[in-house]
Amino acid sequence: EAGVAQSPRYKIIEKRQSVAFWCNPISGHATLYWYQQILGQGPKLLIQFQNNGVVDDSQLPKDRFSAERLKGVDSTLKIQPAKLEDSAVYLCASSFTSGNTIYFGEGSWLTVV
Amino acid sequence: RKEVEQDPGPFNVPEGATVAFNCTYSNSASQSFFWYRQDCRKEPKLLMSVYSSGNEDGRFTAQLNRASQYISLLIRDSKLSDSATYLCVVNMFSGGYNKLIFGAGTRLAVHP
Repeated sequence: EAGVAQSPRYKIIEKRQSVAFWCNPISGHATLYWYQQILGQGPKLLIQFQNNGVVDDSQLPKDRFSAERLKGVDSTLKIQPAKLEDSAVYLCASSFTSGNTIYFGEGSWLTVV
Repeated sequence: RKEVEQDPGPFNVPEGATVAFNCTYSNSASQSFFWYRQDCRKEPKLLMSVYSSGNEDGRFTAQLNRASQYISLLIRDSKLSDSATYLCVVNMFSGGYNKLIFGAGTRLAVHP
């Protein structure tokens, strides 16, 4: 079974530039998550989708971050404009439904300089 | 107070040692609990779920104390390959959906 796919794996941008990350969840998984993990910290939930609807985006910095999950499958996370403190790994994860085991992708490593 | 708090690391232990990690959570409505393992520069992966009666998987034992809002993970006979960060994860049901909250992790280094 194919896992959660993410791209790009690595990205270096200058502050104030924009970046977008893409995620393809495991087939059939209704719930999709974007987590931000800063070095030395645990993953922090940014946004959670159930099918193509948002169920939690309480920790998403909405002035600069946006995410969508069109058609309830793939998702994109965008940051514009980026700040130095956005340097982190952006982990996409999916689960059959919320409450089930979640499976992570390998992450997209962002460095903002 | 953080929603999920873990023992500060790192834990440096010799091979064969027994080591225990603790985790506390703040929301008494939390419903289910997990331990995830994260290797350096890798994504987190499920190690084991934590059941109310306690559960064991080989050298790993997880326990839950709902009254004290406390979860533990015990690793017996540590192997070099156990070196990783162990993340305590709490599932809270709120607003009609489940939400997983991760602790900051406890780093384990097993040496020869």
